[in-house]
Amino acid sequence: GQNIDQPTEMTATEGAIVQINCTYQTSGFNGLFWYQQHAGEAPTFLSYNVLDGLEEKGRFSSFLSRSKGYSYLLLKELQMKDSASYLCAVGDSNYQLIWGAGTKLIIKP
Amino acid sequence: IAGITQAPTSQILAAGRRMTLRCTQDMRHNAMYWYRQDLGLGLRLIHYSNTAGTTGKGEVPDGYSVSRANTDDFPLTLASAVPSQTSVYFCASSLTGGLTGELFFGEGSRLTVL
Repeated sequence: GQNIDQPTEMTATEGAIVQINCTYQTSGFNGLFWYQQHAGEAPTFLSYNVLDGLEEKGRFSSFLSRSKGYSYLLLKELQMKDSASYLCAVGDSNYQLIWGAGTKLIIKP
Repeated sequence: IAGITQAPTSQILAAGRRMTLRCTQDMRHNAMYWYRQDLGLGLRLIHYSNTAGTTGKGEVPDGYSVSRANTDDFPLTLASAVPSQTSVYFCASSLTGGLTGELFFGEGSRLTVL
């Protein structure tokens, strides 16, 4: 079966760095996406990786290793507004997105 | 403001009733999607449409139907609601299908079936 695994919850301190991991097992691979979802709101797009390596976008970076079925989202200089759930999603061989359950990130002052 | 509008934002429904969730986008996106989000589970695709006039089944299509008469509208209908359809429903769109771009989501419709 197809599976996306990410930690259920993480806690970090304002100003620090946090890494949220995502491992996947899917039939085929057509890109990996990260979305941010604040409580009670819609998901919003953060990043897209289709080739191995690191993609940097401001305070957020996303890494992909296709051979290991592994990605991480790195958040630097954490701010209170970064408290949200982070969703990992992988495109399978049918070009459908398979979603992880999300990682709830709690930022403490 | 351009984007996706869903209605209603929240609804309580008796089991067995018919319900249509509305979704409209003004971004002229070709592809549209309906997802449900349940606690502890990832978003699950119900139905999708890659272009006006075509629809396809997602991971959990049973009990739901959709239509795509034009580019802007993509309603989701529950013919006879059951308690297991209690969920938050998100409509989304992308410029094209095939995972070539980001998804834009509506604000969600919270449905409770009693």
